[in-house]
Amino acid sequence: DAGITQSPRYKITETGRQVTLMCHQTWSHSYMFWYRQDLGHGLRLIYYSAAADITDKGEVPDGYVVSRSKTENFPLTLESATRSQTSVYFCASSGGVAGWADTQYFGPGTRLTVL
Amino acid sequence: DQQVKQNSPSLSVQEGRISILNCDYTNSMFDYFLWYKKYPAEGPTFLISISSIKDKNEDGRFTVFLNKSAKHLSLHIVPSQPGDSAVYFCAASAGIGSRLTFGEGTQLTVNP
Repeated sequence: DAGITQSPRYKITETGRQVTLMCHQTWSHSYMFWYRQDLGHGLRLIYYSAAADITDKGEVPDGYVVSRSKTENFPLTLESATRSQTSVYFCASSGGVAGWADTQYFGPGTRLTVL
Repeated sequence: DQQVKQNSPSLSVQEGRISILNCDYTNSMFDYFLWYKKYPAEGPTFLISISSIKDKNEDGRFTVFLNKSAKHLSLHIVPSQPGDSAVYFCAASAGIGSRLTFGEGTQLTVNP
């Protein structure tokens, strides 16, 4: 499918388990982002990547790990899930030279519940 | 410190009337502003943007106004339609190399 996809769409896990959320885009966009959406906080940046093998922390990176070995994929791993990581997670990509300031295209989201 | 604030969590308007969504920011370095719209169970989609060199940008029924001195922007939707019912996020950037900072979102409901 063209565009940006996320999997799984819904995930229930237990405290302490490792969880990986997948993100795949078909546009060959340079920039990719992970956000979490929580009531009262809007969208907060977890990690971002400017290109393959280049990643950096965002606003709320603690407890998360990312990698980007291929341009099209940007997985997000919760190494040891906690209840506070219950949230909706959005992946996004951007292809312009302005990077951040260019339009970001979002995936459909993954709703994660940590019990 | 919430640098981008949308003080109204929700807004309800009648079909055909104007919807005005507001956003305030505190960082004077922000020079590019965007509005995103989000339907339930979908990701946000880009709606309209404005650079700080302008004070107005229009795209069909959607107009964004920027008041730099007041550090305030607003999104006007005229006329409002039931399909406009969604959560609207404003976002700001301090330019190339600066991340987007999002507001908390405003739930717009347009009643038939």
